[in-house]
Amino acid sequence: GAGVSQSPSNKVTEKGKDVELRCDPISGHTALYWYRQSLGQGLEFLIYFQGNSAPDKSGLPSDRFSAERTGGSVSTLTIQRTQQEDSAVYLCASSLVGRETEAFFGQGTRLTVV
Amino acid sequence: RKEVEQDPGPFNVPEGATVAFNCTYSNSASQSFFWYRQDCRKEPKLLMSVYSSGNEDGRFTAQLNRASQYISLLIRDSKLSDSATYLCVVGGGGSNYKLTFGKGTLLTVNP
Repeated sequence: GAGVSQSPSNKVTEKGKDVELRCDPISGHTALYWYRQSLGQGLEFLIYFQGNSAPDKSGLPSDRFSAERTGGSVSTLTIQRTQQEDSAVYLCASSLVGRETEAFFGQGTRLTVV
Repeated sequence: RKEVEQDPGPFNVPEGATVAFNCTYSNSASQSFFWYRQDCRKEPKLLMSVYSSGNEDGRFTAQLNRASQYISLLIRDSKLSDSATYLCVVGGGGSNYKLTFGKGTLLTVNP
């Protein structure tokens, strides 16, 4: 079945370049989340979308990070002027909005900044 | 106090052992509670939701104590395939459905 799809699966970029990560959520899922996971660390919340709006973007670490969602579906996470500390696995998840919000994750984008 | 706090682990247990994971959360308005499992270099996957009445799925039992803001997961008769990191997850209250993850507890089941 169609799960959450993320692309690219791996990305190596030079320090200072911009990168764009894409997430295709499960069809019909209104909620979409971005998390990142650094080596050996837990999941760090970045941003949450409900439809196309982001009621909680408190986890974005700096103004180099931005995200948008269009048509209540695809979301892109953009990192400008990448730094080595941005290296991590960026995970996207989607869920139905409701009391019991079981989230389904994509396989993530492994970003390496060299 | 961290939003979601788990036993730091790691846990190393023999096959057949019973192992318990504990978790506490700080936001009393939280509405939903889950245990996820994450295999090495894979994405987290939902293991089970947690209800106030407690719920069981085969060898796995999850419990929630809202008064104490405490969540637990018990694995009985552990198998080698249970080796993974177990993540305690709490969903926001009201109109905020943000999911907050604990750092996870690594379990290794040894033959």
